[in-house]
Amino acid sequence: GAVVSQHPSRVICKSGTSVKIECRSLDFQATTMFWYRQFPKQSLMLMATSNEGSKATYEQGVEKDKFLINHASLTLSTLTVTSAHPEDSSFYICSARDDRRSSYEQYFGPGTRLTVT
Amino acid sequence: LAKTTQPISMDSYEGQEVNITCSHNNIATNDYITWYQQFPSQGPRFIIQGYKTKVTNEVASLFIPADRKSSTLSLPRVSLSDTAVYYCLVGDSGGYQKVTFGIGTKLQVIP
Repeated sequence: GAVVSQHPSRVICKSGTSVKIECRSLDFQATTMFWYRQFPKQSLMLMATSNEGSKATYEQGVEKDKFLINHASLTLSTLTVTSAHPEDSSFYICSARDDRRSSYEQYFGPGTRLTVT
Repeated sequence: LAKTTQPISMDSYEGQEVNITCSHNNIATNDYITWYQQFPSQGPRFIIQGYKTKVTNEVASLFIPADRKSSTLSLPRVSLSDTAVYYCLVGDSGGYQKVTFGIGTKLQVIP
């Protein structure tokens, strides 16, 4: 149980275009999901916290107009990278907390490799 | 959010027990300690979580001293497939809680 999927697993897009990444909790409901970014040989950096039915909370330095987050249901959160540039190329990972569990354990998706050319 | 400190890297031979220690001097009363494993180009995977004393599951043990200012992840008889980055995180057990990843420990298992 507690599986989180991401789609697509990898995407290549041209500079200036937008890309949408989906994060789904497959067998549990998640009021709260998190989006991380990870550059090569670096740790995960939290970008934003996604809450179902409300606006996402962004970490300092993360542009909310560039990284649009929509958490429209208890099993789906999407991250849209708008007007992507080569410096946005990174590994994007989402995680979700199981609403039924008191532990704050997060279940992570497999990640999405974004390459902007 | 309690800050954690871990060794940047460790090497171990196959079959040996590996202990990775994490310091979290500012851990709060409600904080739990959680360890994750990450392989290249994959999302982190939960290994073990504990609050105090010792916790053991099928893959690892977690030792937490009485003052809880540190914790040690113990991996018994590592294999090459255990080569990965291991992250120690601390955070509140209940409710909404974001966590901050440190740099993690890169474990290299040598044949």
